[in-house]
Amino acid sequence: DSGVTQTPKHLITATGQRVTLRCSPRSGDLSVYWYQQSLDQGLQFLIHYYNGEERAKGNILERFSAQQFPDLHSELNLSSLELGDSALYFCASSPRMIPGSTEAFFGQGTRLTVV
Amino acid sequence: DQQVKQNSPSLSVQEGRISILNCDYTNSMFDYFLWYKKYPAEGPTFLISISSIKDKNEDGRFTVFLNKSAKHLSLHIVPSQPGDSAVYFCAARTNTDKLIFGTGTRLQVFP
Repeated sequence: DSGVTQTPKHLITATGQRVTLRCSPRSGDLSVYWYQQSLDQGLQFLIHYYNGEERAKGNILERFSAQQFPDLHSELNLSSLELGDSALYFCASSPRMIPGSTEAFFGQGTRLTVV
Repeated sequence: DQQVKQNSPSLSVQEGRISILNCDYTNSMFDYFLWYKKYPAEGPTFLISISSIKDKNEDGRFTVFLNKSAKHLSLHIVPSQPGDSAVYFCAARTNTDKLIFGTGTRLQVFP
């Protein structure tokens, strides 16, 4: 158990809908990262928050947004969903702004299926 | 633009032998490299890392080698065990706080 909790574990929704994925980082970790893994592809970096502020953005679509709340949990909002958004979405947390030698700890992921 | 590449999608190794997983990168500004292991239905778990100022880091059966001039790193597992069967991702840290992952290599260790 990494200490990072993601909910829900599975989500099935229709095209055009909007969903919210939730991540609770490890106790004390200030950094939250979101990644998307499609099929058997690598982990695509989406966005990084540190202590409530956006720090870095990756290849995140404009239809996607995220935020980190004062209690440090984070939500990833996906809207106007398309079939191609079906993927595993991982959240990771780390105690420092820069993961570096202190690794990021991953949750078990949310499997999103868009039908 | 795939900045971190794992060109071998799969690798099969006999138990007890050495497993060598390779990773290439394009950005010379990466300052830290990490390897993660992922089992099905689980999130990736950290395995070992190496700073860009070093060329080798060892932890038990796992050793990571970094060749900066070739922009290449490799993970050696010796001896390989059936429990090592998983997908291995290499990752690189940028100076803008991103952790960029490769596409992964599926390692199968058979008896």
